[in-house]
Amino acid sequence: QSVLTQPDSVSGSPGQSITISCTGALRTIGTYNLVSWYQQQAGKAPKLMIYEVTKRPSGVSNRFSGSKSGSTASLTISGLQAEDEGDYYCCSFGGTTTPLLFGGGTRVTVL
Amino acid sequence: QVHLVQSGAEVRKPGASVNVSCEGSGYSFTTYSIHWVRRAPGQRLEWMGWINAGNGNTEYSPMFQHRVTISRDASANTIYMELRTLGLEDTAVYYCARSLGRAAADYWGQGTLVTVSS
Repeated sequence: QSVLTQPDSVSGSPGQSITISCTGALRTIGTYNLVSWYQQQAGKAPKLMIYEVTKRPSGVSNRFSGSKSGSTASLTISGLQAEDEGDYYCCSFGGTTTPLLFGGGTRVTVL
Repeated sequence: QVHLVQSGAEVRKPGASVNVSCEGSGYSFTTYSIHWVRRAPGQRLEWMGWINAGNGNTEYSPMFQHRVTISRDASANTIYMELRTLGLEDTAVYYCARSLGRAAADYWGQGTLVTVSS
């Protein structure tokens, strides 16, 4: 089964930049430019931060940016703020029977 | 403003079924598909299936295909997800989410906690 692998946790100080990686198995990230990223804070629903690798929905801060190289996608948070703490999930198109294939999530901590 | 409002928390015994609803507002209901995604404790988000709210076509994850049904009532702007033959491992928060393109979801419901306990 195809899976997306993320680090368990990433931390940084306020104002710093951090990057979360997401590596995909066969026929996921490397095949499709259909990677999205979601932020989930305690007790809340996931929030779309990036879609189609680099696009930002209206209302999402430009401190969030996405990229992809080969089978690895990345989410960069610049100018880290306390409000950025939470879990971040990558997601890739995994084929018609799994259009949303999620990574295991990365806990972001602001030191 | 787009809103997806889900039905309230449910408790079921193993072997039972549960039905969760998701009412959309603030957008053209039949123009978008709706996904169902769940998150069990300590697990990753897991896609269950989706429905085209316009024509009712569905697609299900192979993991759930034999025991999930997603349906719609377009007159009520509401999507339903029924999960049958519940096991303890089905304890999770279930979310509906509006589809954006082929592989993203831009608006999410607040989540419905389903607890399966004997």
